Amino acid sequence: AQKITQTQPGMFVQEKEAVTLDCTYDTSDQSYGLFWYKQPSSGEMIFLIYQGSYDEQNATEGRYSLNFQKARKSANLVISASQLGDSAMYFCAMNTGNQFYFGTGTSLTVIP
Amino acid sequence: EADIYQTPRYLVIGTGKKITLECSQTMGHDKMYWYQQDPGMELHLIHYSYGVNSTEKGDLSSESTVSRIRTEHFPLTLESARPSHTSQYLCASSEGPGLVYGYTFGSGTRLTVV
Repeated sequence: AQKITQTQPGMFVQEKEAVTLDCTYDTSDQSYGLFWYKQPSSGEMIFLIYQGSYDEQNATEGRYSLNFQKARKSANLVISASQLGDSAMYFCAMNTGNQFYFGTGTSLTVIP
Repeated sequence: EADIYQTPRYLVIGTGKKITLECSQTMGHDKMYWYQQDPGMELHLIHYSYGVNSTEKGDLSSESTVSRIRTEHFPLTLESARPSHTSQYLCASSEGPGLVYGYTFGSGTRLTVV
């Protein structure tokens, strides 16, 4: 079976603090890509960050970083210095080449 | 600036009406997808296409149909709308089969059937 698991339905973080959103995946493939998307209340899906299964360095994009632990099959998203505009749903996803899988999402609320 | 466009953005329609949700992309992507998503919930794949004249049903059973006559256009049609069809519909496209390629999403259509 191939799937994505996000165990945190909702998270709260104080403004300017860092937050980690958890994601574990399950695949028997050796090659795959991992993605995080942000979905604000307006509904569009915004690409945040990508990590390839063979990438040795953790991906970073501005305030976003992906904590990739291949042996544990986890791909957690770390948001540093949270801002009010970070309040949104966050989806972890995996591309195995044959299919794209999405997690159930984590709702993040940034508290002023 | 979006390279994948969905219209309308919001639609309220009566039960029994036929509707078509439009999705167009200007990137020349072969792969296109339709997802259904209830507010704050997970995405469900309902249709996908890997190229012109190629369409497949996704994981979630849907009463909708799709067509792919041109690469850039992937409309979704509901022949007879019902309140159970009330949801957000997201269109996406992907550049290729490579693992590095994620999805580019449209802004979505929020459909309400009354």
